[in-house]
Amino acid sequence: AQTVTQSQPEMSVQEAETVTLSCTYDTSESDYYLFWYKQPPSRQMILVIRQEAYKQQNATENRFSVNFQKAAKSFSLKISDSQLGDAAMYFCAYILWRNEKLTFGTGTRLTIIP
Amino acid sequence: DVKVTQSSRYLVKRTGEKVFLECVQDMDHENMFWYRQDPGLGLRLIYFSYDVKMKEKGDIPEGYSVSREKKERFSLILESASTNQTSMYLCASSLQMIQPEAFFGQGTRLTVV
Repeated sequence: AQTVTQSQPEMSVQEAETVTLSCTYDTSESDYYLFWYKQPPSRQMILVIRQEAYKQQNATENRFSVNFQKAAKSFSLKISDSQLGDAAMYFCAYILWRNEKLTFGTGTRLTIIP
Repeated sequence: DVKVTQSSRYLVKRTGEKVFLECVQDMDHENMFWYRQDPGLGLRLIYFSYDVKMKEKGDIPEGYSVSREKKERFSLILESASTNQTSMYLCASSLQMIQPEAFFGQGTRLTVV
C-alpha cells in the first residue's frame, strides 16, 4: 500500500523563527508529485507548495521551501520567518502519475508562539 | 478564481437517515474526490470520479455511494447514516495530470445522532 508518514503530530515555533516539518512516503513508482497543504482553523485546505519527482531542484514559494530527497523518499517543509498566520494543520501528500489519487499523511499541527 | 463549494458547513442527521452531501466546482475539472477527515487519521479517500458517470472506490467506500451526473457536481450519499460516520467531509477537484494539485471545498462537518 502507498503511504505517507508525518511523524510529528504537533510542532511549535517562535514567531520569526524557522521550523521544519517532516514527511516520508513509500512508493515504488518513479513518476509522481508531492505536495504540502495547509488547513487553517477556517478548514479551507490550501496548497502551499508542490514538487515534481523528476525535478532535482527543490521547490520554493516565498518563505516556504522543501527538502526533497528522492532516494530517501523524504519531503520536508521549511517555513522561514514564521508568522502568526502560519498556524494551521499541515498535510503532506503525493499523487502518482498513473492513478491521479491524492494520498495524504496524518498531518502536523503547527503552533506559532508570539 | 478557483472555486469548490460544498452545500453545507454543518449538518446534523439522525441514525438511519439517507444523507446527501453536495459539491460543485466551477473550474471544468475532470477529477472530483470525496475525503473523510478524522483526527489522527488524516484525509482518507472515499470515492473518486474522473469523468461524468465514472467512479472509483477509494480506501474507505463502505457505507457510502456517489453520483456524478454533470461534470461540475459530485454528490456523496450515506445510504443509512450511522454514528461512526460522524466526521468532516472534504470535496476536492483537479484537472488531471496537467495540473495535478487538488482544490478543496470548505468542508462539511456531519454529526449523526
